Amino acid sequence: EPEVTQTPSHQVTQMGQEVILRCVPISNHLYFYWYRQILGQKVEFLVSFYNNEISEKSEIFDDQFSVERPDGSNFTLKIRSTKLEDSAMYFCASSASADGYTFGSGTRLTVV
Amino acid sequence: GENVEQHPSTLSVQEGDSAVIKCTYSDSASNYFPWYKQELGKRPQLIIDIRSNVGEKKDQRIAVTLNKTAKHFSLHITETQPEDSAVYFCAASKSTNAGKSTFGDGTTLTVKP
Repeated sequence: EPEVTQTPSHQVTQMGQEVILRCVPISNHLYFYWYRQILGQKVEFLVSFYNNEISEKSEIFDDQFSVERPDGSNFTLKIRSTKLEDSAMYFCASSASADGYTFGSGTRLTVV
Repeated sequence: GENVEQHPSTLSVQEGDSAVIKCTYSDSASNYFPWYKQELGKRPQLIIDIRSNVGEKKDQRIAVTLNKTAKHFSLHITETQPEDSAVYFCAASKSTNAGKSTFGDGTTLTVKP
């Protein structure tokens, strides 16, 4: 069964640094998403991406964040000037249509 | 925006018993309601979903019911097994962008053997 893959599985970064989290969506999918899950808390929607542009974003997704689909297979989340409170699991997801989506394996980001 | 409330936050049942988790939502335009099971350190896995054009959906031991008028939906797990122990999340969204989901706070289900 096709899977959404994310790299790295764990990233440790110094406060103030920039990180790029990478995702490879399922190959025929057209809709892409990023979510955040702070340890022990619920999943929170960050952004959706379709047709090479952001379709919707949450209040969390401020100027510190950006997304990009640099080629036909990758979908990245960039976090600039990381803060301690950015420490969380970040999940990518993708779907072939606007309804339904599949989560990736996640990247645990630790900001120290 | 959408607000999803989930109850209970923890649920402990004996193996073989049934478990019920309830969610309410606020946006009447929401029409896609998935349920996820998340084991510790792993990704949320879709276990069942329901769309607003049906009131109930069943898949083996798992069922979901939806009451659009009252804006609530419930997950029912019958004949629980220890491997059902996990955190369960409900979510609500519009099918025009289902990925823009609002999640509940989660229910930690423990099934005691």
